[in-house]
Amino acid sequence: KAGVTQTPRYLIKTRGQQVTLSCSPISGHRSVSWYQQTPGQGLQFLFEYFSETQRNKGNFPGRFSGRQFSNSRSEMNVSTLELGDSALYLCASSPTGTSAPYEQYFGPGTRLTVT
Amino acid sequence: GENVEQHPSTLSVQEGDSAVIKCTYSDSASNYFPWYKQELGKRPQLIIDIRSNVGEKKDQRIAVTLNKTAKHFSLHITETQPEDSAVYFCAAHYPTSGGSYIPTFGRGTSLIVHP
Repeated sequence: KAGVTQTPRYLIKTRGQQVTLSCSPISGHRSVSWYQQTPGQGLQFLFEYFSETQRNKGNFPGRFSGRQFSNSRSEMNVSTLELGDSALYLCASSPTGTSAPYEQYFGPGTRLTVT
Repeated sequence: GENVEQHPSTLSVQEGDSAVIKCTYSDSASNYFPWYKQELGKRPQLIIDIRSNVGEKKDQRIAVTLNKTAKHFSLHITETQPEDSAVYFCAAHYPTSGGSYIPTFGRGTSLIVHP
């Protein structure tokens, strides 16, 4: 099976702009989670989508949002970009249902730089 | 929510030595504990995981132990090789009110294996 893919891989944006990142999970995986990775804060959970519904949300401001499509592909959007949003954004897919946590498989990430 | 502490932040060993990385967690309801390896510029990759109903799990040179009473789990790598050099992350998945799980990650351990 093909792994998790993310586009674009690199992105440079200016403060105040918005950005949309895309994630395609492993075929058959219905759960997609998004993470922000920075040297200062490490890996932090943003949100999880399962069957087109946001199932969980981390402690991030409302500028961070996402959605999932019927084919399980997911997008995340960051509006009104700030310098502190510069990070590696990782998505991960999982075959999880609802009864127990399952292993996650990460994509290569999108490196976002805000200037 | 959950809080995960990981130690040490940096670990330097000679090739052939063993390496041990420890994580502690705060929420006794957490029940799934994966370990990830992230090489420079690459995506995190799941290397081993353990569930709360198991005390130890091995996969060739890698093992994970879990002490639920003390709320800590450890990664053990034996006969280390230079290609084991990477950043290792632990995570603890805790249940939410909706019946799903959210992961909290440790800050990472940079393992350096000297030839």
